[in-house]
Amino acid sequence: TQLLEQSPQFLSIQEGENLTVYCNSSSVFSSLQWYRQEPGEGPVLLVTVVTGGEVKKLKRLTFQFGDARKDSSLHITAAQPGDTGLYLCAGAFGNEKLTFGTGTRLTIIP
Amino acid sequence: DAGITQSPRHKVTETGTPVTLRCHQTENHRYMYWYRQDPGHGLRLIHYSYGVKDTDKGEVSDGYSVSRSKTEDFLLTLESATSSQTSVYFCAIRPTGTSGYGYTFGSGTRLTVV
Repeated sequence: TQLLEQSPQFLSIQEGENLTVYCNSSSVFSSLQWYRQEPGEGPVLLVTVVTGGEVKKLKRLTFQFGDARKDSSLHITAAQPGDTGLYLCAGAFGNEKLTFGTGTRLTIIP
Repeated sequence: DAGITQSPRHKVTETGTPVTLRCHQTENHRYMYWYRQDPGHGLRLIHYSYGVKDTDKGEVSDGYSVSRSKTEDFLLTLESATSSQTSVYFCAIRPTGTSGYGYTFGSGTRLTVV
C-alpha cells in the first residue's frame, strides 16, 4: 500500500500570512491531485499535476510537483478566511485508484 | 450541480443490521468509488467499479459489498453493521481516461452504528 504523508497536520495562521503545506511519498506518482474539503461536504478538486517539476497557479494558490514525482507542495499567498478547510493530496500510481493523504487542516484567523 | 448524489445523508442503525447506501450519478461516468473518512485515517477506498457489474476491492473492503447494475447507480452494503463501521462515507465518480482526471465527490453519508 502506497502511503502519502501530509504536513503539517494542523495549521492556524493570521489572515494575510503566507503558508506552505507538503505531501510526500516514497513512491513515484503518475499524477497528483489536491482537493479542499469543507465541513459536511465532499472534497473538491483544486488541481491535477502530472509532469515532474510542474508548477500550477490558481489565483493565490501555487502547486508544485517535485522533479522526481514523489512529493508536492501547496503554497497560499496572503491567506484569507475563505481558505479555511481540509486540504488533501491524492496520488495515482499508474492505475485508476487514488490514494489520499490524511490531510492538513487549515484555519485562517481574521 | 455536480451530478452525483448520495442517500441517505444521515443514518443511525443498530449493530448487526444490514445497511445499504446509494450513490447516483447523472454524468454517465465509467468509474465509481466508495470511500470512508475517519479522523487520522483520511479517505480510504472500500470498493470501486469500472463498469456495470465490474467491481473490485479497495484497501478496507472487509464487511462491505457493492453492486452496480446500472451505469448511474453504485450501491454499498454493510452486510452486518458493526460499531467500527461508524464513519462518513463518500462516493466519487471519474470520467474514462487517464489517471490524471480528478474525482467528483458526493456530499457524503454520515453513518452511526449503535
